[in-house]
Amino acid sequence: DAGITQSPRHKVTETGTPVTLRCHQTENHRYMYWYRQDPGHGLRLIHYSYGVKDTDKGEVSDGYSVSRSKTEDFLLTLESATSSQTSVYFCAISERTGSTDTQYFGPGTRLTVL
Amino acid sequence: EDKVVQSPLSLVVHEGDTVTLNCSYEVTNFRSLLWYKQEKKAPTFLFMLTSSGIEKKSGRLSSILDKKELFSILNITATQTGDSAIYLCAVEEYNFNKFYFGSGTKLNVKP
Repeated sequence: DAGITQSPRHKVTETGTPVTLRCHQTENHRYMYWYRQDPGHGLRLIHYSYGVKDTDKGEVSDGYSVSRSKTEDFLLTLESATSSQTSVYFCAISERTGSTDTQYFGPGTRLTVL
Repeated sequence: EDKVVQSPLSLVVHEGDTVTLNCSYEVTNFRSLLWYKQEKKAPTFLFMLTSSGIEKKSGRLSSILDKKELFSILNITATQTGDSAIYLCAVEEYNFNKFYFGSGTKLNVKP
């Protein structure tokens, strides 16, 4: 499972409240990613990180921010949650094998915004 | 625009049938194509393909890549109910190790 954990695993919150999701990895991977998964959309990249304090936006970054102050932790923050952010959030790392990379996923966080 | 397109979106078959899932892509700086299986949890890795025409095989599952026509197929022979899942295709791009996912094919294998 590439040593990836996510917390919390489930969360219900109200519109307008801030929410932070945590991704923790134990194997010193450089690249970390946050995706959301919604029916009919597959996995869509929110933000990713290529090192401590190095992050960049993905295709659906509006309303989300990230931080990576340590190699092992990648935090996703919804500053003011909206109902459209109800989704399942997956964290991933990429592991280099030769000249290519494979992504491995955390167990996911189911977020419901009421 | 969609960079990775999977078809069909959903599929219902009976045990013992053979299925072919399709993935076409349009990604600059292609590095690899990956297939994942997702049941009621996180996606799990199946195959990585980097070279055209070389089949990857694992039990009843196999996959092949065509880099000229920009597509890949995933074959499952003698399907079982345990093959029921969403199958995701992803393409890795060189720049910043970015991955683009298709929307998946939902496979339902009936007994």
